[in-house]
Amino acid sequence: EVQLVQSGAEVKKPGESLKISCEGSGYTFTNYWIVWVRQMPGKGLEWMGSIYPGDSDTRYSPSFQGQVTISADKSISTAHLQWSSLKASDTAIYYCARHAGSSSVDYWGQGTLVSVSS
Amino acid sequence: DIVMTQSPDSLAVSLGERAAINCKSSQSVLYSSNNKNYLAWYQQKPGQPPKLLIHWASTRESGVPDRFSGSGSGTDFTLTISSLQAEDVAVYYCQQYFSTPLLTFGPGTKVDIK
Repeated sequence: EVQLVQSGAEVKKPGESLKISCEGSGYTFTNYWIVWVRQMPGKGLEWMGSIYPGDSDTRYSPSFQGQVTISADKSISTAHLQWSSLKASDTAIYYCARHAGSSSVDYWGQGTLVSVSS
Repeated sequence: DIVMTQSPDSLAVSLGERAAINCKSSQSVLYSSNNKNYLAWYQQKPGQPPKLLIHWASTRESGVPDRFSGSGSGTDFTLTISSLQAEDVAVYYCQQYFSTPLLTFGPGTKVDIK
């Protein structure tokens, strides 16, 4: 069974750093892109970027380039999304999902709620 | 970049009635070499991650009720719920994967019961 399990909710202060994770199982982790999607409170889905764990090819949405870093450790089938300095506007649910490059995004993680407040 | 738009923003339909959501892409998502439209539809219920309903514009994912159907080609697409059920209350998003790995979602359409 394909599963993407994300790390737990985080409460942070502005300026702090953060790294959240997404562990894939039930499939060959290196053969699919992992995408990260932001959902701000009461808003829609925004594609942030994707990584191909097989060769670490990483692409970012222009809206998120330079704001976050996406990485993957294929030895533990885990992808990461990190911030070096959080802002209150980073408060959102962040989803990871699996994407076969030749098809649609199919499996999603449960989401990680990140709350940033002073 | 391919921009996705959806209409309406929200709609309320009586139980058992038909609901239709439109999605438009700023450029064609039809790949001529395989004649496939790189367009998916997702359903998101409150407090849950999105769920894939339809890919290739009209192919239902396994387990998705047949009251959900997708149609369209090129730049104009429609998701139709033929007979709305209470459990279909959700936000529906279209997404293009033509420019894979760069992806774009539509803004979403909220479906409620009238």
